Amino acid sequence: DAGVIQSPRHEVTEMGQEVTLRCKPISGHDYLFWYRQTMMRGLELLIYFNNNVPIDDSGMPEDRFSAKMPNASFSTLKIQPSEPRDSAVYFCASSFSGRRNYGYTFGSGTRLTVV
Amino acid sequence: KQEVTQIPAALSVPEGENLVLNCSFTDSAIYNLQWFRQDPGKGLTSLLLIQSSQREQTSGRLNASLDKSSGRSTLYIAASQPGDSATYLCAVRPDGSSNTGKLIFGQGTTLQVKP
Repeated sequence: DAGVIQSPRHEVTEMGQEVTLRCKPISGHDYLFWYRQTMMRGLELLIYFNNNVPIDDSGMPEDRFSAKMPNASFSTLKIQPSEPRDSAVYFCASSFSGRRNYGYTFGSGTRLTVV
Repeated sequence: KQEVTQIPAALSVPEGENLVLNCSFTDSAIYNLQWFRQDPGKGLTSLLLIQSSQREQTSGRLNASLDKSSGRSTLYIAASQPGDSATYLCAVRPDGSSNTGKLIFGQGTTLQVKP
């Protein structure tokens, strides 16, 4: 398996622009998570899905952030409009709820810079 | 509310030393605990996963232990090498009514192994 695939790896955008981050989880995994990492706040859970359904979006910082999972193999995190304080590394992770293994696999992340 | 703490925040050791990284959590009702490694500018790589019923897991020079009752886990690295230099993150998945599938991360310990 190619692991969790995120795109793009790097994104530089101007303040006010819309940004869309993409994630392809590991095939067969039924949980998908979006995290944000900054030096100041560490890893923060933004939202997660179970079987494509959003379960907990309490970590989404503002209405400017939205996430979708239209099918089991694809998810997006959208920021509209973007602001400089959104600059961070955004990670996607997936997990399988089978009893024998419930570990996470992370993607390589998208480094977002909003100028 | 589950909180995860890692001490120390940073550690520098000479090559060849055995070392221990510490992780503590406030609620002993956990499903599992996972140790990750993160290299600068990279994603998270899973090192070891310990289920709540287990006491330890080993992989090569790494050994992770879990003491649920005291809310502690340790990651032991034997014969450290410069290539072990990275940030090590501990993450807990709560159990019971809080078993929502998400992980709660510590802030990490940044390790530097000097040649």
